[in-house]
Amino acid sequence: SQQGEEDPQALSIQEGENATMNCSYKTSINNLQWYRQNSGRGLVHLILIRSNEREKHSGRLRVTLDTSKKSSSLLITASRAADTASYFCATASYGNNRLAFGKGNQVVVIP
Amino acid sequence: DTAVSQTPKYLVTQMGNDKSIKCEQNLGHDTMYWYKQDSKKFLKIMFSYNNKELIINETVPNRFSPKSPDKAHLNLHINSLELGDSAVYFCASSRGTSGGNTEQFFGPGTRLTVL
Repeated sequence: SQQGEEDPQALSIQEGENATMNCSYKTSINNLQWYRQNSGRGLVHLILIRSNEREKHSGRLRVTLDTSKKSSSLLITASRAADTASYFCATASYGNNRLAFGKGNQVVVIP
Repeated sequence: DTAVSQTPKYLVTQMGNDKSIKCEQNLGHDTMYWYKQDSKKFLKIMFSYNNKELIINETVPNRFSPKSPDKAHLNLHINSLELGDSAVYFCASSRGTSGGNTEQFFGPGTRLTVL
């Protein structure tokens, strides 16, 4: 089964609104990471949250991690048109030297 | 001053041909990766090299062969291309030896189309 399944998969919001997307996973993890992919581009790392952390902020981004529910959320506050992209979560398990990526959420911010 | 670069950006070729994609990183990272992203944007690890040594080799057809001449370069050679190989291939790199513990830096991708 696939680690890191985001929900919902497509989100359309007005500029200035907040966007929230969720990610669930199935096994114990060392850390969880969020990446952004603009159309036709490579992935860009946004934030890494370790298994012993519950919340992390970076600019307009807020990530939470609930290891008891095996889930994470990414909140983008005061969205901008430039935030239009696909957002992926990826998990790293202990003793595993790879990231397992989820399917991605498409976020469209309407100016 | 591009961190992770790939060439070519687009590759259109006929079935049965052999092609290569090149990747270079100037970040001084020890570990490099190849990922395949399908039409539904699902990203799957194919290979990983650490200091020129293969450390991840997922279930990928033998037609795919990575080569790392030095730790800044990781090339991907594909023999006998098939229609199903059409995808976007991403190269990435990271510090250290454990690919999951740190952020990964991705190249811009190579869109391969097999006709």
